[in-house]
Amino acid sequence: DAKTTQPPSMDCAEGRAANLPCNHSTISGNEYVYWYRQIHSQGPQYIIHGLKNNETNEMASLIITEDRKSSTLILPHATLRDTAVYYCIGRSNSGGSNYKLTFGKGTLLTVNP
Amino acid sequence: ETGVTQTPRHLVMGMTNKKSLKCEQHLGHNAMYWYKQSAKKPLELMFVYNFKEQTENNSVPSRFSPECPNSSHLFLHLHTLQPEDSALYLCASSQENYQPQHFGDGTRLSIL
Repeated sequence: DAKTTQPPSMDCAEGRAANLPCNHSTISGNEYVYWYRQIHSQGPQYIIHGLKNNETNEMASLIITEDRKSSTLILPHATLRDTAVYYCIGRSNSGGSNYKLTFGKGTLLTVNP
Repeated sequence: ETGVTQTPRHLVMGMTNKKSLKCEQHLGHNAMYWYKQSAKKPLELMFVYNFKEQTENNSVPSRFSPECPNSSHLFLHLHTLQPEDSALYLCASSQENYQPQHFGDGTRLSIL
């Protein structure tokens, strides 16, 4: 799995967009970029994933650079309930033994009132 | 509500006790997982089951014994644990082993 690098912490004002960066310069061609978050005292929650095209769902948008060496998770209107640790993970979707999710330390996003 | 339910939410046990953690998923998924999350450490994958067959044992000590009687249920049997086994134990499931995983809220285990 690709090694990812994220800032340890970020702050965001409530109602504003939260932009969480992730560097994955060693990502291989068949590895997707996955984002999960973990709110205190809960299990990780799947947010979104993508390969090379930008993706959007009801929770967030994922912007992947053309060279696929970095990506940004965007929460368009952050709320206090979005305060959590956000994990960026490179992961193969090709089956076999490369399907494992390898969690790093993530980014603690604190949304302030 | 994630569709993955873990019981109990909290468990305190002595080192000589035997207990079991239970996980049930209501998502129709074929793969189930056990993870361990210790304080200040990333999640660690412990076991993987795919269509009820164990496909991964990530060098977990034998005092942890998983059981998957069917695709919807997963157990983790605990026996003679050590204080360093105190952690949050998380269960997850996915449709196939390469698709997004959905997690339960975990069992907080404390070993006295």
